[in-house]
Amino acid sequence: GAGVSQSPSNKVTEKGKDVELRCDPISGHTALYWYRQSLGQGLEFLIYFQGNSAPDKSGLPSDRFSAERTGGSVSTLTIQRTQQEDSAVYLCASSLTRVGKNTEAFFGQGTRLTVV
Amino acid sequence: DAKTTQPPSMDCAEGRAANLPCNHSTISGNEYVYWYRQIHSQGPQYIIHGLKNNETNEMASLIITEDRKSSTLILPHATLRDTAVYYCIVRVWGGGTGNQFYFGTGTSLTVIP
Repeated sequence: GAGVSQSPSNKVTEKGKDVELRCDPISGHTALYWYRQSLGQGLEFLIYFQGNSAPDKSGLPSDRFSAERTGGSVSTLTIQRTQQEDSAVYLCASSLTRVGKNTEAFFGQGTRLTVV
Repeated sequence: DAKTTQPPSMDCAEGRAANLPCNHSTISGNEYVYWYRQIHSQGPQYIIHGLKNNETNEMASLIITEDRKSSTLILPHATLRDTAVYYCIVRVWGGGTGNQFYFGTGTSLTVIP
């Protein structure tokens, strides 16, 4: 597609349930990032995938959070046993990373997660 | 963690230049300065980036001091649609680990009619 696509755009879930958020990056982008943004706050880094390298998971807030990137393309962020404090907008971005190429990250429109 | 500091908010009159400052006193030699903005309820949008030379594109100009410890994003003729939160980020160019974009709290710019 033309841009980063995220689905669903909105998700309401009950506390304790698991949720999966999907990100389709721009074709050919080797880097993929997940961020979350709580209401009125800045962007909080969660996880970063770069090609076939081991992902940087340093931003994941707890072991309830995990992410996969299959085939170097689509990524899924999974939150297990959701809590109310998980309510936020989850943003995905992708970028090229080759030296000499533009490496700005392009963001999707996010998934708004509400845990009730 | 964010390596930049920005004023939390600024106002600018419509049609005037908006000058948004950013301090990055601990920037390394291989780190670029990136600017993004986020309009309410949208994903962040790339504006411009640079290493040490001043840069200009169709959206803005980026002025980086000679010691690279600070920079200024200039929107030459601000419009109401430029009202957004503006993020200044330092980031290593290219691939590898540690290549994340760390967003600080940004500057909330309000363009006033």
